[in-house]
This record gives sequence, structure tokens and C-alpha cells, in this order.
Amino acid sequence: QVQLQESGPGLVKPSGTLSLTCGISGGSISTTNWWSWVRQPPGKGLEWVGEIYHSGTTNYSPSLKSRVTISVDKSKNQFSLNLRSVTAADTAIYYCARDLRVRGVTNAFDIWGRGTLVTVSS
Amino acid sequence: DIQLTQSPSFLSASVGDRVTITCRASQGISSFLAWYQQKPGKAPKLLIYAASTLQSGVPSRFSGSGSGTEFTLTISSLQPEDFATYSCLHLTGYPRTFGQGTKLEIK
Repeated sequence: QVQLQESGPGLVKPSGTLSLTCGISGGSISTTNWWSWVRQPPGKGLEWVGEIYHSGTTNYSPSLKSRVTISVDKSKNQFSLNLRSVTAADTAIYYCARDLRVRGVTNAFDIWGRGTLVTVSS
Repeated sequence: DIQLTQSPSFLSASVGDRVTITCRASQGISSFLAWYQQKPGKAPKLLIYAASTLQSGVPSRFSGSGSGTEFTLTISSLQPEDFATYSCLHLTGYPRTFGQGTKLEIK
């Protein structure tokens, strides 16, 4: 079955760039699914960051759009998140997730990675 | 943006109790609502999608209902493993947004 695994630095300096990768195993990124990033500040709720299709088409949260880029690497079967100009407010557990398609429409995120904590601190 | 408001934010209940959590949307979202369970240190687990469809492998004591702007998640008889945080998520347009979460604690 499809599994997702986040990887990347756990500590980023303020004003730096947060870079994470989500590796996909047990399946291909080149399906009809969209692939998302979701984050969760410690002790707080979940926030959708954005998503990508294997063609490279993206959708982003308006609150992060000016700082975020999500990209896909089909040769490595993975997708990535870059978040620029980070502050302490970007400290969170970052999850990657796959959407659940029902009759061609996203109805949920059904498969999640285990998440990775990224701390923004000098 | 569509806002999702869950109530209550905290809920204290006992094993065997029937509990209901509500999620209200700031505008109509048809049935594009999902419910998640999250335990400390773990990723969210999908319980319900399309407002009322039980995800494969999820116990039948979980059920969802609603459409438009008001939705409910019901656990018919609480089990010890059900004490967790529950969140709703809408998937009508962008951005996707989650409710603030409901923490279900043991009384």
C-alpha cells in the first residue's frame, strides 16, 4: 500500500528557507491523486499549506502563497515543500498527505506521512 | 475563506457514552466534509468522508451526518481507544480548512 515519508532539516534559522521532501513508496506519484502539505504548530490545529498534481499544477493557501513553493520530482517519486522567510510562527509538525478521490473529486486526505517537526530558531 | 467551527472544543465523557461533535461551516459546503481522529504524536486518521461515508477499517460506532453548513460526528459507545482529538476538514474549493479541533477526554 502507498506510504509517505517526510524528510528534511529539523531546525531552520529565522529568515531562512524551510525545505522538506515527501517520498512516496508502494505507488506512483503519477496517478490521479493530488499531494498535499499540512502543518500543525505544537499544541494547535491543522493548517493546509498547499497541494500539487504530478503535472506540476499547484494550489496554495492564500496566507502562505507569497512564501511557499511545492514542486514534484517524478523521477524520484517525491514532492517537496519550500517555505521562504520563515519565522518562529512557522514552527510546526509538517505532514504530507494524499487525497482520496471519489468520482474524480477530492473528498479527504486518506494517507498521511508520520510528520516531521521543524523548529525555526537561531 | 470558509471557516469551520467545532463545538465543543473540549468534551469529557466516560467509556460507553454516546457523544456528538458538531462542525459548522461559514457557508454551504454541500457534503464535502471529512472527520479525523488524532492521538498525541500521531498523524491524523481519516474516519469519515463525504460527511457520512465511513472510511474502510473504521469501527461502525463512528458515524457522520449533515450537509450544507452543519455536520455531526457521533461515537455511539465510547471505547478507551477513542479518547483523542477530532477535527473536521472541508474540501469545497480553496483553501482547504480544518476546524479547531475537539479534545475528547476521559471523565
